[in-house]
Amino acid sequence: DAGVTQSPTHLIKTRGQHVTLRCSPISGHKSVSWYQQVLGQGPQFIFQYYEKEERGRGNFPDRFSARQFPNYSSELNVNALLLGDSALYLCASSLEVDNEQFFGPGTRLTVL
Amino acid sequence: AQSVTQLGSHVSVSEGALVLLRCNYSSSVPPYLFWYVQYPNQGLQLLLKYTTGATLVKGINGFEAEFKKSETSFHLTKPSAHMSDAAEYFCAVNSGGSNYKLTFGKGTLLTVNP
Repeated sequence: DAGVTQSPTHLIKTRGQHVTLRCSPISGHKSVSWYQQVLGQGPQFIFQYYEKEERGRGNFPDRFSARQFPNYSSELNVNALLLGDSALYLCASSLEVDNEQFFGPGTRLTVL
Repeated sequence: AQSVTQLGSHVSVSEGALVLLRCNYSSSVPPYLFWYVQYPNQGLQLLLKYTTGATLVKGINGFEAEFKKSETSFHLTKPSAHMSDAAEYFCAVNSGGSNYKLTFGKGTLLTVNP
């Protein structure tokens, strides 16, 4: 069975641009969470979605937004990119909102 | 609020030696505790988790961890290190009895010397 998949693998953007990151959960999983991992740090929670509804949000500015589609895939959008947004963005899926999370390989975003 | 402190950003051991990675947590309610491993350029893989019940938890690849409520600790151990154990290890906590909003420590990089 396929695990959590994320696209693209790597991305380079410049300050002020917008970016969209995509995540496909494990088949049958209804919940998707997004984490930001800055180099040398542990992952930080950004969002959780379950059945297309936002169920949790971390301490991130409104420039960060996300959505979940009827097929349970998800997009993370970041507007007005800053240098500090450079990080590995991890997506995790779980069967329900309160189940074990399975992580994807991440998208490496570099903002120049 | 919940938090995780991992003591030692870098631990180096010899192959065959004991691995001990330390994790202390802070939580206002009974926590769920996790250890994840991250290999270079990869996502996170769950090693083991504590939710309720037995305080000594066994995970994959010979790792285990013991939940000690009195010490607010959840240290990760492995009796004999293997070269393939070299990776970054993250301790995480979730309070409130659900798995969402994991709070991670800053990680410990494990180096295994031949």
